[in-house]
Amino acid sequence: EVQLVESGGTLVQPGGSLRLSCAASGFTFSRNWMNWVRQAPGKGLEWVANIKQDGSEKYYLDSVKGRFTISRDNAKNSLYLQMNSLRAEDTAVYFCARSGPPFGFDVWGQGTVVTVSP
Amino acid sequence: EIVLTQSPGTLSLSPGERATLSCRASQSISSTYLAWYHQKPGQAPRLLIYGASNRATGVPDRFSGSGSGTDFTLTISRLEPEDFAVYYCQHNGASFGQGTKLEIK
Repeated sequence: EVQLVESGGTLVQPGGSLRLSCAASGFTFSRNWMNWVRQAPGKGLEWVANIKQDGSEKYYLDSVKGRFTISRDNAKNSLYLQMNSLRAEDTAVYFCARSGPPFGFDVWGQGTVVTVSP
Repeated sequence: EIVLTQSPGTLSLSPGERATLSCRASQSISSTYLAWYHQKPGQAPRLLIYGASNRATGVPDRFSGSGSGTDFTLTISRLEPEDFAVYYCQHNGASFGQGTKLEIK
């Protein structure tokens, strides 16, 4: 079964750091671009970052540039999001998602909750 | 930066009716880059349409996508109870529209 499972979400203070992980299984992880997408409480979807198959290209939402870093370990079938200098507005459910058909995210994890609050 | 604007914000229909959802881009885009998803409460989004008109694997044929340039449409021919959800369009594997909530009338 093709599956993505996120972990690492928790309550963190403003200015703090957190590392999210996404474990992939059931497909050849190294063949796909991978993404992080977030959803603030009661709000819509917001793409956060993506990374090429070999990690050589990475792109970010403007509001997280310089604070968040996306990375991957193809040997461990894992995707990561290092989040630094966290702000209240980063509070959200964070999903990892696979880029499948051209420009569509065809596999999603269940999400992990990040809450930034004193 | 291309902005996607979805309309209406909320659409109230009954099962069996036809739903038409709109996604308008702030400038002309290639249809290759346009995808549609729906999301039910407490669940992850599900890919419905990619390349503006191609159904993803396992998506029922009551869902269809069309459009070009700046105007794109998702049509659900006959609504089933499980279709009531929030629908999002997406451009270029990045920015999403703000969503259309499809609710039971």
